[in-house]
Amino acid sequence: AQSVTQPDIHITVSEGASLELRCNYSYGATPYLFWYVQSPGQGLQLLLKYFSGDTLVQGIKGFEAEFKRSQSSFNLRKPSVHWSDAAEYFCAVGAAKAAGNKLTFGGGTRVLVKP
Amino acid sequence: NAGVTQTPKFQVLKTGQSMTLQCAQDMNHNSMYWYRQDPGMGLRLIYYSASEGTTDKGEVPNGYNVSRLNKREFSLRLESAAPSQTSVYFCASRIRQGNADTQYFGPGTRLTVL
Repeated sequence: AQSVTQPDIHITVSEGASLELRCNYSYGATPYLFWYVQSPGQGLQLLLKYFSGDTLVQGIKGFEAEFKRSQSSFNLRKPSVHWSDAAEYFCAVGAAKAAGNKLTFGGGTRVLVKP
Repeated sequence: NAGVTQTPKFQVLKTGQSMTLQCAQDMNHNSMYWYRQDPGMGLRLIYYSASEGTTDKGEVPNGYNVSRLNKREFSLRLESAAPSQTSVYFCASRIRQGNADTQYFGPGTRLTVL
């Protein structure tokens, strides 16, 4: 069965500093990996996704993520955080071509941005 | 193009009451999903519909039923609400892009069961 672990429940970062959110997954075959962001009271917005090819993936809002098969990781990074990046971030893994493509989500990491 | 819409946005129920959460998508997607979100647990899949006319259980289906009314609409029904069903419910639909798939989410329904 697939699973996703986000080890950090909360992260506090100063505005302008860099940010890295960790995601580790467990899956028996090639995973499809996603990062979603949820602002307070809002739904989930897709930040970026990895299907195949280049292991460094660029997303919206200046975010990027790197797929490392050897470490079963898909960490999310941003070089310089803005106050508007305060939100909860979810990593998810999906099965390629599986019926219904069910996603398994991590527990989320809440990011607080200090002025 | 509104994407995925959900109604209502908020609902308060008493234990034992029933209600239906509505979801609609205007993107002509085949697959639709219902998740619940609880603190520290991410999103967990309740039911999904891979295509019109089919539905399947997800990770936490107990206490829920679903109906895929047509390609656009996928409803979630609580027949007898329980406090354990207090949660935020998200509907999603899936687009197939190349060899893989992406799910797009609605804004959510915040449900409280007293």
